[in-house]
Formats: sequence, C-alpha cells, structure tokens
Amino acid sequence: EAQVTQNPRYLITVTGKKLTVTCSQNMNHEYMSWYRQDPGLGLRQIYYSMNVEVTDKGDVPEGYKVSRKEKRNFPLILESPSPNQTSLYFCASRLTGVFDEQYFGPGTRLTVT
Amino acid sequence: DQQVKQNSPSLSVQEGRISILNCDYTNSMFDYFLWYKKYPAEGPTFLISISSIKDKNEDGRFTVFLNKSAKHLSLHIVPSQPGDSAVYFCAASDFHNTDKLIFGTGTRLQVFP
Repeated sequence: EAQVTQNPRYLITVTGKKLTVTCSQNMNHEYMSWYRQDPGLGLRQIYYSMNVEVTDKGDVPEGYKVSRKEKRNFPLILESPSPNQTSLYFCASRLTGVFDEQYFGPGTRLTVT
Repeated sequence: DQQVKQNSPSLSVQEGRISILNCDYTNSMFDYFLWYKKYPAEGPTFLISISSIKDKNEDGRFTVFLNKSAKHLSLHIVPSQPGDSAVYFCAASDFHNTDKLIFGTGTRLQVFP
C-alpha cells in the first residue's frame, strides 16, 4: 500500500528542546516536502527535497532543518523550538513534476510551550 | 502575500444540493491547478486537477472550472453527500518553471442531511 508515515503524531514539548519529526515513504518518490498548516494560512511549504542529498528552502524555512540521506526518509528537525512553531505538520512525497499523485502523511500536531 | 485565496472559510450545504467552492489566484504564470480534500486527523488527498489549456474537468460528481481571465477556479460537487464534509484546499503551480505547489487557505464544507 502506498504510504507516507510520520512520527510522532502528537508532540508537546518545551521551548528550546530539540526535536525531530520523522517521515518515510514507500513509493520510491524523488520529491519530498514538509508543510505546516495554520488557521487562516493554509498549507505552507517549509522545505523540500528533489532527491537524496538535494534539499532547498520553501516559503517558511526559518527555525527548521531537514536532511535527505536516503530516498525514503526526510526528517524535519527543530533545533530550538519556539511557541510560534506550534502547528500541524505534514510530510508529502511524489514523483518530480507529477502533482496529481502527491501523497501526504497523516500529520504531526506539535505544541511548543 | 497570499497568491492563492479561498475567501470563504466555511460553507454549509444540504445533502443532494450543489456545493460550489471558490478559489482566486494572483499569479498569471500559474498553469496547473488542483483541489485537495482533507478529513480531520488525516493528510490532504488529491481530488481533481485542471491544466490552463482547459476550462473544465470532470470526475464523477466533481467538476473544476477555470476562468483564466478572472484568475478564478471553482469546484462543483453535485450532488453533495455527507461524506463530502471536509476541508478543501485549492493549489496552483507555475508548472513549466517550478516544481512547487502554492496552497490556498482552505474552505470547510459541511453537508447536512
């Protein structure tokens, strides 16, 4: 079954405590990305990766890091989380240039106090 | 600035009637448009798309209309069913120049019996 998995699904943490949200896909997709969803702002892209070792900033990259060491995995790292990073996060994957078959993970709800 | 806008945050429609969700965009370079549906506690899923060379695309109960001169697209759901209750996001891409999707803010559709 085609799938994008994210862990954890829910996370409550404190300001400044480093955390990683994992993302994995089983479809051999080159393109992976991270979005955050906030009320009134829709989905905004944080970072994306067009292939292994190739990453680039999206629209709201400040405060986040990513890595792409393997094709299937694309973790999102918050080195020093702050309350304004409280949000709902989605990982997504697809073949390059094929928007109709973009698969999203189930989401990670992060609260930073 | 929001390049893709969904000005109605919510819409309530009776079962069996037509639901019309609207989306406006500002970037005249956008040439590919999509609608995604999102249920609570799940990631968005692809619903329907349209290229700028067309002005209409149908898939079962779902039809997307594109008015390039007005920079406007709409999603029609006929007939609406309670299972259609979800948040709908439109998204757009300058497909020939970038591999990036810009999402709207979302419209919450509620279909009541």
